[in-house]
Amino acid sequence: KAGVTQTPRYLIKTRGQQVTLSCSPISGHRSVSWYQQTPGQGLQFLFEYFSETQRNKGNFPGRFSGRQFSNSRSEMNVSTLELGDSALYLCASSGLAGTDTQYFGPGTRLTVL
Amino acid sequence: AQSVAQPEDQVNVAEGNPLTVKCTYSVSGNPYLFWYVQYPNRGLQFLLKYITGDNLVKGSYGFEAEFNKSQTSFHLKKPSALVSDSALYFCAVRGGSYIPTFGRGTSLIVHP
Repeated sequence: KAGVTQTPRYLIKTRGQQVTLSCSPISGHRSVSWYQQTPGQGLQFLFEYFSETQRNKGNFPGRFSGRQFSNSRSEMNVSTLELGDSALYLCASSGLAGTDTQYFGPGTRLTVL
Repeated sequence: AQSVAQPEDQVNVAEGNPLTVKCTYSVSGNPYLFWYVQYPNRGLQFLLKYITGDNLVKGSYGFEAEFNKSQTSFHLKKPSALVSDSALYFCAVRGGSYIPTFGRGTSLIVHP
């Protein structure tokens, strides 16, 4: 079974731009979560989607948004990029939301200049 | 607010010796606890979880963890460390809201 895939793997943007990251979950998984990982703040939860509905949201500004499609693929968007948005963005999928085991993708490394 | 503490930034152990990576948590309601491992330039890999039941949880690659409710701890252990176990280890907790909180991570270094 193929794992979680994230595209692109690396991305360089400038301040003020917007970016869209994509995540394809493991086949059959209906839940997708997004995380931001930085050296300063560690791993922080962004949001979780299940069957196209946002189930949970972390403490991030409205510039961070996401969505999930009917095939469970998910995208997250960051508008008006700031230098502090430079991070590794991780996507994780699970069969169900809540306490089900999550399987992580390799991440997208975003650098904001 | 829920929180996770991993008190050691780094743990050093000799190959073949037992290892422990510590984790304590604070959460409202029943805790759902997880351990993940991250290798350089990779995503996280699931090791084990405690949801309910037996306090001793066995996971992947010979790792296990013990849930201690009174001490609010969930320490990760392995009887005999391998050099290949060297990586970054994360403890995470979910409470009733199911929003996950991760610890800052502990770098495990196993010396040959």
